[in-house]
Amino acid sequence: KNQVEQSPQSLIILEGKNCTLQCNYTVSPFSNLRWYKQDTGRGPVSLTIMTFSENTKSNGRYTATLDADTKQSSLHITASQLSDSASYICVVHILTGGGNKLTFGTGTQLKVEL
Amino acid sequence: DGGITQSPKYLFRKEGQNVTLSCEQNLNHDAMYWYRQDPGQGLRLIYYSQIVNDFQKGDIAEGYSVSREKKESFPLTVTSAQKNPTAFYLCASSISLEGHQPQHFGDGTRLSIL
Repeated sequence: KNQVEQSPQSLIILEGKNCTLQCNYTVSPFSNLRWYKQDTGRGPVSLTIMTFSENTKSNGRYTATLDADTKQSSLHITASQLSDSASYICVVHILTGGGNKLTFGTGTQLKVEL
Repeated sequence: DGGITQSPKYLFRKEGQNVTLSCEQNLNHDAMYWYRQDPGQGLRLIYYSQIVNDFQKGDIAEGYSVSREKKESFPLTVTSAQKNPTAFYLCASSISLEGHQPQHFGDGTRLSIL
């Protein structure tokens, strides 16, 4: 079982609509959580990073939230555009005895249609 | 324009053959990484390097080898021992191994078996 679960697995929305992607994690001890956007056939690009003390962070039309108590994060996309069609990956960073470790979610595949 | 360049974009391997994937960065980053991405799975770490002439195994290193002779370059060899090499391979770099540093990804190499 993946220690970083994302939902939904895929999502189709109309251009201009809003949507929210979810990320639940069980890994610990938590250090930070980052959301990446990956276009088809390209490498992931970082959107936001959330540390333990942060609840909300925005990057343009993207707003990430974090509840470290329930170990949940969300990524809200406002006024979606066709270019938002991509996979959105949640990545949790933990500190282990052996150093840093990143655990990647499987991603939510978003398609924005006219 | 700084970034990470992976080549080739597509690669085909015959049975029993070793192939090498190239990764070059001009971001002056110390740390570099190789990941494997399979459908329905999160990115999995193959190898990483903190500094020139040093590299460590990740979670799925069997059947792979790397070298780090130059700061800018971190080639990955997929050996014949890797029985299921078909995947999308991503190279990344960061300023250091510290988890709050974002990883910058290349655009990947898709490896297939002939």
